Amino acid sequence: DADVTQTPRNRITKTGKRIMLECSQTKGHDRMYWYRQDPGLGLRLIYYSFDVKDINKGEISDGYSVSRQAQAKFSLSLESAIPNQTALYFCATSDYRAPYGYTFGSGTRLTVV
Amino acid sequence: AQSVTQLGSHVSVSEGALVLLRCNYSSSVPPYLFWYVQYPNQGLQLLLKYTSAATLVKGINGFEAEFKKSETSFHLTKPSAHMSDAAEYFCAVRPNAGGTSYGKLTFGQGTILTVHP
Repeated sequence: DADVTQTPRNRITKTGKRIMLECSQTKGHDRMYWYRQDPGLGLRLIYYSFDVKDINKGEISDGYSVSRQAQAKFSLSLESAIPNQTALYFCATSDYRAPYGYTFGSGTRLTVV
Repeated sequence: AQSVTQLGSHVSVSEGALVLLRCNYSSSVPPYLFWYVQYPNQGLQLLLKYTSAATLVKGINGFEAEFKKSETSFHLTKPSAHMSDAAEYFCAVRPNAGGTSYGKLTFGQGTILTVHP
């Protein structure tokens, strides 16, 4: 099993719909992140959480919300999806005791039509 | 604040040629620096990292990078390209000290490497 699991892997949804992307990890890491990837823009941080009670906005949080249900689970919601939220979304984890990089999930490809 | 600039969104080399992917960073505190690789339809895999020890860092698959503080650069190189190196490469930075950016990775725009036979 993967250390960081994202579901679904692919999703097509309609404009205006609410959608949730889920991330779970078996790394035991305290920190979790959501990024989106767009061609030519690299990965941009949407939200991050340093522990269950700590949620922070990243550089592009508008239109998104998150929930840290447990140390191992971090969900990203699009309250009312719009076409420019079509992107590849990555969840990542890190451990404050070993700050040398992240472990990434395989990504969720979201298409909003 | 921190940022990363990757020079060249596309780099094309012949098999066996030198690979050079450029990365310049900006950071208000000493940084940790990373290179990640993304193969088609896959997630990101860590190639190598600089964590303030040796300035020349060796990674997987024959890649290496050199941290040059005076040039604020962390260019990725490989002496001889292989067809399997074709992928997108991302440089990333995070501060190695406290502050509002601590723990957060900031990525460059990515460089797509094409390897020709």
